[in-house]
Amino acid sequence: GQQVMQIPQYQHVQEGEDFTTYCNSSTTLSNIQWYKQRPGGHPVFLIQLVKSGEVKKQKRLTFQFGEAKKNSSLHITATQTTDVGTYFCAGPKVTGGGNKLTFGTGTQLKVEL
Amino acid sequence: KAGVTQTPRYLIKTRGQQVTLSCSPISGHRSVSWYQQTPGQGLQFLFEYFSETQRNKGNFPGRFSGRQFSNSRSEMNVSTLELGDSALYLCASSLDSQNSPLHFGNGTRLTVT
Repeated sequence: GQQVMQIPQYQHVQEGEDFTTYCNSSTTLSNIQWYKQRPGGHPVFLIQLVKSGEVKKQKRLTFQFGEAKKNSSLHITATQTTDVGTYFCAGPKVTGGGNKLTFGTGTQLKVEL
Repeated sequence: KAGVTQTPRYLIKTRGQQVTLSCSPISGHRSVSWYQQTPGQGLQFLFEYFSETQRNKGNFPGRFSGRQFSNSRSEMNVSTLELGDSALYLCASSLDSQNSPLHFGNGTRLTVT
């Protein structure tokens, strides 16, 4: 079945350092979504990428969708303590209808002062 | 607009019992999905309902079931609980589209003893 892997699994950074998480799918995706889950919270939608090679920015966050639409990355510039949480990528099922997402394994980010 | 509401927030059950979890989606959202989140397995898709019909199903045993009512509210049921069913159960609603982002509730934390 469809698999979505993320690396690294964990990342500790000092506040102000950059952070990147990488997402790889076993299948070509029609789109990819990113979610953030704060400790003790629930996943919150961040962004969706649809086009091959697409790059989107949200303030200090930069999202990329690979040319082959099988990988994606999230880069955070100058991390802050508010960035703490687990970041998940997610891709829709390959065939058929409905809204089933396969979530990546997640990257847990910790930011130290 | 009110968000996705899940009840109860916490639940403690013993092995062999059954449990019913409830989810009220965002008004206007017709798709409701359920996910199981555990530290070891991450976010695993259980099922998706749309217009009272199960549209997608994950790889969980038949002890896990769900339904959706005409007002889009959904319930999931787990029978003959096992210790391994201890998890955070997340409900998410979305508009009817494969590209629609998921809006998660706060989840129900189920502990099986």
